[in-house]
Amino acid sequence: QSALTQPASVSGSPGQSITISCTGTSSDVGGYNYVSWYQQHPGKAPKLMIYEVSNRPSGVPDRFSGSKSGNTASLTISGLQAEDEADYYCSSYTSSSTPYVVFGGGTKLTVL
Amino acid sequence: EVQLVESGGGLVQPGRSLRLSCAASGFTFDDYAMHWVRQAPGKGLEWVSGISWNSGSIGYADSVKGRFTISRDNAKNSLYLQMNSLRAEDTALYYCAKVVKLGDAYGAFDYWGQGTLVTVSS
Repeated sequence: QSALTQPASVSGSPGQSITISCTGTSSDVGGYNYVSWYQQHPGKAPKLMIYEVSNRPSGVPDRFSGSKSGNTASLTISGLQAEDEADYYCSSYTSSSTPYVVFGGGTKLTVL
Repeated sequence: EVQLVESGGGLVQPGRSLRLSCAASGFTFDDYAMHWVRQAPGKGLEWVSGISWNSGSIGYADSVKGRFTISRDNAKNSLYLQMNSLRAEDTALYYCAKVVKLGDAYGAFDYWGQGTLVTVSS
């Protein structure tokens, strides 16, 4: 069982916006601004898309944005493109003994 | 260009040991914490272990605590994972990853290797 809860799948049409949620507790998502999001295409290593809740690394399109409210973080992708189809994972620092880092179970994004 | 290259994976019998290595280049290795993350076939990401820049802070997932040992050699720009008493459920692709922020022990991972596959089976 994953420490952070994500929907198993989401879908959207090209040009639309979608949001992926990531629910934790006050010991992880709610307690710290160390939420990050990763994109993973089949057979590839994960790619960092968002760190510290809402920061985008250099090179990540501004169509990707992150936010947090209470114990739930969200990744929003606007103007969906075919190449956005991938698995997305959230992650957070946790203070609940170990592990120090927890991942969500992952969300499969399908672009219709 | 930042590069992380894992090695040392392979097929191993249950109960045996394996040592993974991660060779880093393209950044000042001893400024950054490093982590191991694994992914079982067809499954999600699982954090395994992390080590701060100076080895002063080390953490393990409960699933590997007492069996795995993380270490680093800053002189060789290398990260290691000693895996003992391996189990079938340790079968996974093991990635090494670099944290985003200089000095942080944890946080987001901005660079990942391509992974090394560990298969535990008799």
